[in-house]
Amino acid sequence: GAVVSQHPSRVICKSGTSVKIECRSLDFQATTMFWYRQFPKKSLMLMATSNEGSKATYEQGVEKDKFLINHASLTLSTLTVTSAHPEDSSFYICSARSLAPNTGELFFGEGSRLTVL
Amino acid sequence: GQQLNQSPQSMFIQEGEDVSMNCTSSSIFNTWLWYKQDPGEGPVLLIALYKAGELTSNGRLTAQFGITRKDSFLNISASIPSDVGIYFCAGYTGNQFYFGTGTSLTVIP
Repeated sequence: GAVVSQHPSRVICKSGTSVKIECRSLDFQATTMFWYRQFPKKSLMLMATSNEGSKATYEQGVEKDKFLINHASLTLSTLTVTSAHPEDSSFYICSARSLAPNTGELFFGEGSRLTVL
Repeated sequence: GQQLNQSPQSMFIQEGEDVSMNCTSSSIFNTWLWYKQDPGEGPVLLIALYKAGELTSNGRLTAQFGITRKDSFLNISASIPSDVGIYFCAGYTGNQFYFGTGTSLTVIP
């Protein structure tokens, strides 16, 4: 199946610093990528939809100035957690929708565990 | 966002037993997807279904796209310890993806 790679897998940072997480589709082009947050033993919570070449669409309650998303190319989307605080500690996952051969398949990255001290 | 109704929420079974879980929705979907997520990892796609009534297998896993297009089930036959994890469904309307709440599977050797 298609491969989506996420980096870094784990990051620890001090409160007040910014952290960037990358999501790459390795063997297909993705005009749309998605960013999720997942709390322990909970399902995925969609944060925003990242659109190549245009602004991301954020879900209700997600601060766009806090979670900056950039989708500069058809294979890369980045999520930057700005001025991180301990409550931002979480597991962040990206996904990308494959357009071919089947348009409804969604592939996930490995996830990034953020710990803010 | 909308979440799909997935059941059961958790299962504890003996190795070798069969497992069945399902997802239902009030919405119609074009695609049903089933994933497995191990702790600290991203979800891995197990099976994708594209047509109402479709029955697809992947090794010991079998999934079906409900005829009404509002439900899907996943069966795991002859479970083994490495089947442990969280399984969840996803439905695609053609515009958006919706996710199930997950089924936590524990296999007792």
